[in-house]
Amino acid sequence: SAVISQKPSRDICQRGTSLTIQCQVDSQVTMMFWYRQQPGQSLTLIATANQGSEATYESGFVIDKFPISRPNLTFSTLTVSNLSPEDSSIYLCSVDSRSSYEQYFGPGTRLTVT
Amino acid sequence: AQSVSQHNHHVILSEAASLELGCNYSYGGTVNLFWYVQYPGQHLQLLLKYFSGDPLVKGIKGFEAEFIKSKFSFNLRKPSVQWSDTAEYFCAFASGGYQKVTFGTGTKLQVIP
Repeated sequence: SAVISQKPSRDICQRGTSLTIQCQVDSQVTMMFWYRQQPGQSLTLIATANQGSEATYESGFVIDKFPISRPNLTFSTLTVSNLSPEDSSIYLCSVDSRSSYEQYFGPGTRLTVT
Repeated sequence: AQSVSQHNHHVILSEAASLELGCNYSYGGTVNLFWYVQYPGQHLQLLLKYFSGDPLVKGIKGFEAEFIKSKFSFNLRKPSVQWSDTAEYFCAFASGGYQKVTFGTGTKLQVIP
């Protein structure tokens, strides 16, 4: 298993600003994933981040809005840019196990945009 | 498009009642299936998984799920729920060689003592 931490755990941001979320894993992993969980909805994959390459974004998500960094095998950041109230959500980081598709999740970052 | 449907959004049961949460997925190929659980204030964590072999899989805390390929279903069951099972349950699947996991909308289970 993997232990994942995220910072910040929650934040309240003003419209038009940006928030950068950090994800730290206690072991080296190839792939890291960023999800969004909007109120009352399921988890939606934003992008997959591999170390040393550009993140792969899912349909409906673009790099300008959700830039991702993956500087090494244990760390990634997700920035949510030009915030609007519709970005209010929980953002989750996850990693996969080495031998299966099982994913381990961080505690999430609860973002509220005012 | 790949999707997962969970039939029940909110389930309320008394302790010792039996539980069955429905899950259907939409994908024509080989899938790996999961149930995740999120207890209040805790991380999302894996409850059980199916990759191949026996379609009846057992997970933690007495939960089990049955994969019925012909019905594209992976329903979660527990014969006797406890108050500590109060949580939100997510069905999910991963398809093919890509590790993208598609999640259902979740079912909130409330167990009344």
